[in-house]
Amino acid sequence: AQSVTQPDIHITVSEGASLELRCNYSYGATPYLFWYVQSPGQGLQLLLKYFSGDTLVQGIKGFEAEFKRSQSSFNLRKPSVHWSDAAEYFCAVGLTGNQFYFGTGTSLTVIP
Amino acid sequence: NAGVTQTPKFQVLKTGQSMTLQCAQDMNHNSMYWYRQDPGMGLRLIYYSASEGTTDKGEVPNGYNVSRLNKREFSLRLESAAPSQTSVYFCASSDLGRHNEQFFGPGTRLTVL
Repeated sequence: AQSVTQPDIHITVSEGASLELRCNYSYGATPYLFWYVQSPGQGLQLLLKYFSGDTLVQGIKGFEAEFKRSQSSFNLRKPSVHWSDAAEYFCAVGLTGNQFYFGTGTSLTVIP
Repeated sequence: NAGVTQTPKFQVLKTGQSMTLQCAQDMNHNSMYWYRQDPGMGLRLIYYSASEGTTDKGEVPNGYNVSRLNKREFSLRLESAAPSQTSVYFCASSDLGRHNEQFFGPGTRLTVL
């Protein structure tokens, strides 16, 4: 079945440590790929997106993500996490037409 | 630009009551969407509208109806609310020219007692 998988439900990291959030998808063609962040009680904000070209994309707030076609992955990374990065992170896939699918999210806790 | 706006922000209903959630966007997007967000389930698509005058079912349409009033507005109606519809509802809009990048409203937190 077609899906977007975020295998880590919850991650805890120390402030200043590096971060990697995993995302895998299972669609035939290379989809359009997105990462969104949701702070508590807020809507979703786009962090970054991949459509084509350079497989390493830069986003807002110091985040980056790398598309790996061979692994069907689009993992989100940040070299040094800040306390304000504590939030829920969603990977999403856009297909042709109006098809758009979200992963179930990864909750990030940042400890001082 | 306000982006995507939603009203109300919070609502409490009793089982069987009806209500309409309102959504408007000022980005001239063709497509609009309604999602519900439940713990551990991510966002699930309820209905979407690819363009003014058209609507289609998403993953979880049962118990809901929608109206694309014009290009700006897309409303979601619960005719007879049930406790299973307790959720956070998000409206979003997109422009296919931007590869479906979705822009979200702040959400409506609905509790059905």
